[in-house]
Amino acid sequence: ILNVEQSPQSLHVQEGDSTNFTCSFPSSNFYALHWYRWETAKSPEALFVMTLNGDEKKKGRISATLNTKEGYSYLYIKGSQPEDSATYLCALSGSARQLTFGSGTQLTVLP
Amino acid sequence: GAVVSQHPSRVICKSGTSVKIECRSLDFQATTMFWYRQFPKQSLMLMATSNEGSKATYEQGVEKDKFLINHASLTLSTLTVTSAHPEDSSFYICSARAGTSRIEAEAFFGQGTRLTVV
Repeated sequence: ILNVEQSPQSLHVQEGDSTNFTCSFPSSNFYALHWYRWETAKSPEALFVMTLNGDEKKKGRISATLNTKEGYSYLYIKGSQPEDSATYLCALSGSARQLTFGSGTQLTVLP
Repeated sequence: GAVVSQHPSRVICKSGTSVKIECRSLDFQATTMFWYRQFPKQSLMLMATSNEGSKATYEQGVEKDKFLINHASLTLSTLTVTSAHPEDSSFYICSARAGTSRIEAEAFFGQGTRLTVV
């Protein structure tokens, strides 16, 4: 059973602050790591899919890094805005293409 | 991105009845769909992998006779919770990946179904 852990569980930041959170996973048998953003009452939305050690991906103010050797990924949000408030999920892709999810980091950006 | 439609979004049913949840890929063919369940304050737990035209693969601890999965076409998978009990009350969500073997292919999610069994 793959164990994907995310920290912190929840986070409150002020508008304009930059923030980051962590996804940890077993480094053996790595296939791909996914980051999703999940707003209340909506479908989880894919942010990034990363496969290579050292990968860095960016979408607007959000970026992510990947270290497959030590088994972690960071998600960064620069200049947080209230609309960034959501639960951010990471998931490990398995050999059968199923996803194993972490429990998520719930971000609240205060105006 | 691709669209996956799941309904109903909310359902309340009486104990002992069955409930069917549908998951449709609207603009792509999904050879594989996944069904997840989320308990309060916990992560999405994979219940089963649904393969078009064949039997679903269930995760350990998931009763296949209780959670019936049918994937009769490339755009539709259904999850039927049979003889529902209050402990089946939960949030169920499906996801689909396009017909590609690329391991990095992203998954698209439905909106989820909140099931309450009374």
